[in-house]
Amino acid sequence: DGGITQSPKYLFRKEGQNVTLSCEQNLNHDAMYWYRQDPGQGLRLIYYSQIVNDFQKGDIAEGYSVSREKKESFPLTVTSAQKNPTAFYLCASSPDRFNYGYTFGSGTRLTVV
Amino acid sequence: KQEVTQIPAALSVPEGENLVLNCSFTDSAIYNLQWFRQDPGKGLTSLLLIQSSQREQTSGRLNASLDKSSGRSTLYIAASQPGDSATYLCAVRIGNFGNEKLTFGTGTRLTIIP
Repeated sequence: DGGITQSPKYLFRKEGQNVTLSCEQNLNHDAMYWYRQDPGQGLRLIYYSQIVNDFQKGDIAEGYSVSREKKESFPLTVTSAQKNPTAFYLCASSPDRFNYGYTFGSGTRLTVV
Repeated sequence: KQEVTQIPAALSVPEGENLVLNCSFTDSAIYNLQWFRQDPGKGLTSLLLIQSSQREQTSGRLNASLDKSSGRSTLYIAASQPGDSATYLCAVRIGNFGNEKLTFGTGTRLTIIP
């Protein structure tokens, strides 16, 4: 079955550490996205990429970095510069056409310890 | 700036009742609107996608409508079941090519009482 795989499901980060969240899709979608979800808030866009080797900042990109070396993969690195990284992170993808919807992964819960 | 609002934030209804969830958005220049379901600690599952030119979409017991001119969408759930308990999110797709994005509401947490 086609879909989006996010790993790990749970991740713990120590203060000052960088951590990388994995997102892989086998839907042959052009565009991929990273969202952050906090309790009581809507999903907020961190980064997105519409083509390999290109990506754009979303609304809350500070403290995060991404790469898009392959169409199937869009890893997110949470750097030590992100002061409040504890959240639920969701990866999504879509065909790069406006009449298609988004498909989401199952998420990674990141906790700072 | 596009803003998406979902009211109420939480809703509890007895099993078997029909119910309506509301979504409103401030900028009618949208490409489409998507309804999602999210179970606790899980990702988002797409329920229905309505294009800006459409008025409604149906899937099983779910029916979503869109009134773009008034900035409103509703999700109708017929004959509710305990398994329908979840948070329901709506999202609108906006923006120019190369700069498009999805803007989400904060969701309605639905509880179906057996």
